[in-house]
Amino acid sequence: DTGVSQNPRHKITKRGQNVTFRCDPISEHNRLYWYRQTLGQGPEFLTYFQNEAQLEKSRLLSDRFSAERPKGSFSTLEIQRTEQGDSAMYLCASSLGGRVTLTDTQYFGPGTRLTVL
Amino acid sequence: GESVGLHLPTLSVQEGDNSIINCAYSNSASDYFIWYKQESGKGPQFIIDIRSNMDKRQGQRVTVLLNKTVKHLSLQIAATQPGDSAVYFCAENMGGRAGGYNKLIFGAGTRLAVHP
Repeated sequence: DTGVSQNPRHKITKRGQNVTFRCDPISEHNRLYWYRQTLGQGPEFLTYFQNEAQLEKSRLLSDRFSAERPKGSFSTLEIQRTEQGDSAMYLCASSLGGRVTLTDTQYFGPGTRLTVL
Repeated sequence: GESVGLHLPTLSVQEGDNSIINCAYSNSASDYFIWYKQESGKGPQFIIDIRSNMDKRQGQRVTVLLNKTVKHLSLQIAATQPGDSAVYFCAENMGGRAGGYNKLIFGAGTRLAVHP
């Protein structure tokens, strides 16, 4: 399978614990995105990487959230001191962007479902 | 399995009929639009896209129409099949002329239910 992959697919944790999710983008895709989706809503943008650089973060990304893409390939999203309101599906997407094209097609992974008890 | 979009508007159609799903977008400067299909427990799946310099684009069994005057998108699915049952989201890309960094802003979503 050459699509975007995410691990784990499901995570159940207790309030206050830290969790980390991983995203492996489509090979050669230089852009990587994280979104959050709650039941009944469309995905909401969290953050965006071009290669290793984190270029934009949403106001939704509080200080407890941190994302990295250290080698410009896979990315991790960590949530510290989880709260019940963090329960959601966390989606990763990737795209191949050129120097001129700012808008390109994003392909999504299956998501990680987080449940905070 | 887990449901996506528990309280979304629902479009019910008979198998074989054509479906039209509508979407209003928010930013007149957005120049790229995408339709995604999301099945329960899965991530959004790309269906078709259109840039703002076009009014219509056709794919296999799907057509997207863009009306920039009223900021409206529609997705037409021909000969709807049971496998088309899912939640459909339109998304506008806030990059390009809109000045954002290629982030997608998703609409509310519509559940398509196809009955045999």
